[in-house]
Amino acid sequence: GESVGLHLPTLSVQEGDNSIINCAYSNSASDYFIWYKQESGKGPQFIIDIRSNMDKRQGQRVTVLLNKTVKHLSLQIAATQPGDSAVYFCAETGDYKLSFGAGTTVTVRA
Amino acid sequence: NAGVTQTPKFQVLKTGQSMTLQCAQDMNHNSMYWYRQDPGMGLRLIYYSASEGTTDKGEVPNGYNVSRLNKREFSLRLESAAPSQTSVYFCASMDRGNTEAFFGQGTRLTVV
Repeated sequence: GESVGLHLPTLSVQEGDNSIINCAYSNSASDYFIWYKQESGKGPQFIIDIRSNMDKRQGQRVTVLLNKTVKHLSLQIAATQPGDSAVYFCAETGDYKLSFGAGTTVTVRA
Repeated sequence: NAGVTQTPKFQVLKTGQSMTLQCAQDMNHNSMYWYRQDPGMGLRLIYYSASEGTTDKGEVPNGYNVSRLNKREFSLRLESAAPSQTSVYFCASMDRGNTEAFFGQGTRLTVV
């Protein structure tokens, strides 16, 4: 069936280092792939998206890479800060449906 | 600008009771969603509504019904609550042609 999932449930990173969060997807028909961040006690918040016909997109301190050959999506966070500690979800959308993966918990060490 | 508002924030139900979770958005978005979030399971889509007057099943629709009352409001109903429906429920809305969904603060539901 269709699903969006993540490789690792947790990631611990030293403050100032770069973080890489990975995601595997199975629905090649999705129009967009998206990353969301969820802080404790809150709803998810949009970080960045990438259209299915693109390979890379950069935002402020974040880069999303899409490898359609192996159905892999990644989020790179540069110079990770304590405020980046959260759960990160990849998601996909197509035909108005928005589906999420299981999430990776990122902990930033001081 | 309130965004997406969910009520109630907390609820405890006995098995077999019914209740409706309310969701309203003031951003004039066409699409609205209901998710449940369980530990280690991420966000699972229950139902969604692409536009006023339409609703579609998501990944886990069993035991739930929805109503898109108008463009602003999208409610989720549990007709006969079960302990397996203990979860945090999130409502979200998204504008057509966009990928940024806006979420409510969630409803923490416990069924005993």
